[in-house]
Amino acid sequence: QKEVEQNSGPLSVPEGAIASLNCTYSDRGSQSFFWYRQYSGKSPELIMFIYSNGDKEDGRFTAQLNKASQYVSLLIRDSQPSDSATYLCAVNDYKLSFGAGTTVTVRA
Amino acid sequence: DVKVTQSSRYLVKRTGEKVFLECVQDMDHENMFWYRQDPGLGLRLIYFSYDVKMKEKGDIPEGYSVSREKKERFSLILESASTNQTSMYLCASSKQGQETQYFGPGTRLLVL
Repeated sequence: QKEVEQNSGPLSVPEGAIASLNCTYSDRGSQSFFWYRQYSGKSPELIMFIYSNGDKEDGRFTAQLNKASQYVSLLIRDSQPSDSATYLCAVNDYKLSFGAGTTVTVRA
Repeated sequence: DVKVTQSSRYLVKRTGEKVFLECVQDMDHENMFWYRQDPGLGLRLIYFSYDVKMKEKGDIPEGYSVSREKKERFSLILESASTNQTSMYLCASSKQGQETQYFGPGTRLLVL
């Protein structure tokens, strides 16, 4: 069983809309969670991390964590064409385990 | 800014060749990692190191070895390259006690 699962894409949203990305994980003891963004042909870059249940906001990005449901999500508000990328969810249980990624395309 | 560099962006090798992938970081990070990334599979951890001369197997170490003789440099070695090792290889580093990993630009390896 894969440790970190992300909703399959690709996800296409119109400019200005909200993009919602979901991620579930299998290890109930996981304590820290990360979202990386990867543009085509580039390496991943960290956009957010979250440790506590609830919401964490950073600009247009909101990460949501629910440890009881083993679920972490990323919301991108007012989506822009520059947000078009693959988003990787990562969970830390002594090492980072990555999901396969969800590709987001924002239509102008 | 953290800078992680990898020796090659693109590499073409023949089956059976010994391949060296080099990674260097300039931020005095203790932790270094090697991943491979394949479509639909995400990033998979090959090996990691928390200190000089120290190494630990990740999720898919078979067919690979690593070397860390200096703190800033972490090398991935394919002893005898095979076609199923064609992939994007990403190196990352992080500071001890901090979980954020910083990635290099990647090496796209093609084994013919």
